[in-house]
This record gives sequence, structure tokens and C-alpha cells, in this order.
Amino acid sequence: EIVMTQSPATLSVSPGERATLSCRASQSFTNNLAWYQQKPGQAPRLLVYGASTRASGIPARFSGSGSGTEFTLTISSLQSEDFAVYFCQQYNNWPWTFGQGTMVEIK
Amino acid sequence: QIQLVESGGGVVQPGGSLRLSCAASGFTFSSYPIHWVRQAPGKGLEWVAVVWSGGTDKDYADSVKGRFIVSGDNPKNTLYLQMNSLRADDSGVYYCARGWQRLPPGYWGRGIQVTVSS
Repeated sequence: EIVMTQSPATLSVSPGERATLSCRASQSFTNNLAWYQQKPGQAPRLLVYGASTRASGIPARFSGSGSGTEFTLTISSLQSEDFAVYFCQQYNNWPWTFGQGTMVEIK
Repeated sequence: QIQLVESGGGVVQPGGSLRLSCAASGFTFSSYPIHWVRQAPGKGLEWVAVVWSGGTDKDYADSVKGRFIVSGDNPKNTLYLQMNSLRADDSGVYYCARGWQRLPPGYWGRGIQVTVSS
């Protein structure tokens, strides 16, 4: 199975600043990579799929990039509603696997 | 409006069984892949199972293979997750989610709690 490793575990950012989240895969694949946002007590929300395609209704401040084994989610200017946990997930091979998450907290 | 609503969770003893339901509305569930994903308390996400559109092809995580079974009731537009031989590490919130083709799911239910404990 493909192991997904996210870094950092926690990211402290001030509102309005940029946040850069990393995700590394144990095996290389092209772009079958998704990012989710999860807030306490809520289901995950799909942000990005295909490594860089924003899901419907997702603001342009969220952008994904990368291929191979290194992927990045960038939030260009953090809003108050963006403080949450973010998960990457590969859907290249079954079983689909998630990273352990990055918590973005208010600095 | 697309909705998925899970039900059937609760507390069960180790070795017991539970059947979760995922009631779909706003679309015909047999036309889309439906996924089950779980989250242990304070932990990350784990894919449990998926039934691909058409309902014949199914995939299971190794951790539940042989114990969990996905089935569907087309007239009721409802998917089921039959969970047998439950263990403590099966505890968590279980989500059903709707995908499209082989893409990750964009519609999720609110989740249902399952606790396996004596």
C-alpha cells in the first residue's frame, strides 16, 4: 500500500499569511492526489483532486501542485474559517490511503 | 439536493455485529461509487470499503476483508455496511461518501459513531 506522509504535523500561521502544506508518497504516481479539509465534528470536505484541480465551490486561495512523490497544498491568504486539519489522499492504487493530517492553527 | 445520512451505529461488544445504513437522496446511488471511510477517535482517516457504480465491483481494506460486507437496496436507495467479528480497533466515526467514476468523493454524510467495547 502507498504510505502518505504529511509535514508539518502542526502549522502555526497568522490570518492573512500564506500556508504551505506538504505531502510525500512512498511510491511515485502522476496526479491521483486529493486534499481534504476537516473541522472538529464535521466530515472531510474535498478541496482539490487531480493534484491541482479545485473541487466545486472551493475558493481560489486554495491551490494544489506536485507530482511523483511530492505534493503541496498552498493557502495563499489564510482566513479565519481555514483553521482546520488538512489531509492528503492518494487514489492511484487501492487501498486509497490518507496522510496523517496537518493541523493549521492560529499563531 | 444530494444527501447521505448514516444510521445504525452504537455500542457493541467485541466479536459482535452491527449493520450501518447509508440513505442516499438527490441521486440514484447505484449510479455512483459509494465509499465507507472511518476515523478512530482523535486519529486520521481510513478507507474501509467501496462499491463501484453498478454495484457489482467492491473493494475492501485488508483490515476488514472477510468481516465487513457492503450491500445495497436499490428501491430504498440505501447502502449497507454489515460489520461482523467487531474488534476494539473498529471503533470510530464511519462516513459514507459519494464519488464519481474513480475520483475521490465530494459528498459526505455527517458520520455515525461505532464503539466496540465490553
